[in-house]
Amino acid sequence: DAKTTQPNSMESNEEEPVHLPCNHSTISGTDYIHWYRQLPSQGPEYVIHGLTSNVNNRMASLAIAEDRKSSTLILHRATLRDAAVYYCILIGYGQNFVFGPGTRLSVLP
Amino acid sequence: DAGVTQSPTHLIKTRGQQVTLRCSPKSGHDTVSWYQQALGQGPQFIFQYYEEEERQRGNFPDRFSGHQFPNYSSELNVNALLLGDSALYLCASSLTSQYKRTDTQYFGPGTRLTVL
Repeated sequence: DAKTTQPNSMESNEEEPVHLPCNHSTISGTDYIHWYRQLPSQGPEYVIHGLTSNVNNRMASLAIAEDRKSSTLILHRATLRDAAVYYCILIGYGQNFVFGPGTRLSVLP
Repeated sequence: DAGVTQSPTHLIKTRGQQVTLRCSPKSGHDTVSWYQQALGQGPQFIFQYYEEEERQRGNFPDRFSGHQFPNYSSELNVNALLLGDSALYLCASSLTSQYKRTDTQYFGPGTRLTVL
């Protein structure tokens, strides 16, 4: 399974944008990039996924580098509720979710 | 629409005992996956059930077994419990599509298992 690398932790101020990076230099051409987050005392929840093009939904945006070796999850205006562990996961053919330690995002009021 | 539900919420067992955890998938979902999450770590994939059969398995010993019922609900069984089995056990459901790589998983709140 392809691996991802994320910073252990990040901090943001409330109401400001947050850019969460993920490196995946060994990504294959058919791997999808998924982002999930885990709020305190809850199971992970889906945020967004993409293959090559940038993606937007009501929760976040996903910016994918042209060579696909990295991606960035963008929260446009962080709220206190966005404090969570964010996981970047690669899914290829016949593969299942391999969670790394993720990035713990703290949001300061 | 109820999401993924798991029972029990918490469980305390002693070494050597056996435990059964239960999961009801989100309505309309046909696939159930189980994960183990140790404190401070990301979830680790145990196995996945589809059409009442184990479709894929992670790196877990045979002490971990499961079952999926015709209504798509699932059980996770762990025999001969060890102290190291203490963890949060998460169930996730999804609807298997032709493009499995884009299937979204919906997670339950988990069962916290403590082995003494």
